[in-house]
Amino acid sequence: NAGVMQNPRHLVRRRGQEARLRCSPMKGHSHVYWYRQLPEEGLKFMVYLQKENIIDESGMPKERFSAEFPKEGPSILRIQQVVRGDSAAYFCASSPGQLGMNTEAFFGQGTRLTVV
Amino acid sequence: TQLLEQSPQFLSIQEGENLTVYCNSSSVFSSLQWYRQEPGEGPVLLVTVVTGGEVKKLKRLTFQFGDARKDSSLHITAAQPGDTGLYLCAGLTGTASKLTFGTGTRLQVTL
Repeated sequence: NAGVMQNPRHLVRRRGQEARLRCSPMKGHSHVYWYRQLPEEGLKFMVYLQKENIIDESGMPKERFSAEFPKEGPSILRIQQVVRGDSAAYFCASSPGQLGMNTEAFFGQGTRLTVV
Repeated sequence: TQLLEQSPQFLSIQEGENLTVYCNSSSVFSSLQWYRQEPGEGPVLLVTVVTGGEVKKLKRLTFQFGDARKDSSLHITAAQPGDTGLYLCAGLTGTASKLTFGTGTRLQVTL
């Protein structure tokens, strides 16, 4: 059973370009979470999705950022018109159900976005 | 906004020493998790504590959840170079199915 798969592992974009980050959850997991991590910092929650639905996007910047988790295929985090401040590691996690004492989230290896 | 403050932020010790990392908040959490993250990798779950006052042991690691479920500590006995990494606490509230991560503690254990 493969873990959470994120690709690409590394992504370089010029300012103004679009970045598309993909996350395939673990088999059987229908809940996906995106987090952003700046160097030497903890992870900051961005968005929580269930299949075809955004449950909580309270951590998403209001502009340029969007996320989806379609019925088929991976979850996508899309950043339009990237700026240098978007440079960070973006982590995806998945869980089989709502997080709780008996339900754990599993993290992918992350996508490191560098904006030049 | 729920905040989890970890201390110390950085810790460099020699093999064989003991250490304690603290995770504090003014918010109450239904459960609290500790993760270790190595460079270039995602966080890996070490333990989940649920009950106030709970103590869990994982080999040389001892985790404690505060009585009021607002704070936690991680104690490592006889640290080894393999313990090197970024340690993150993360709290879960009953109303929000998302983890709030702490600020992190970077541990380096040298020979």
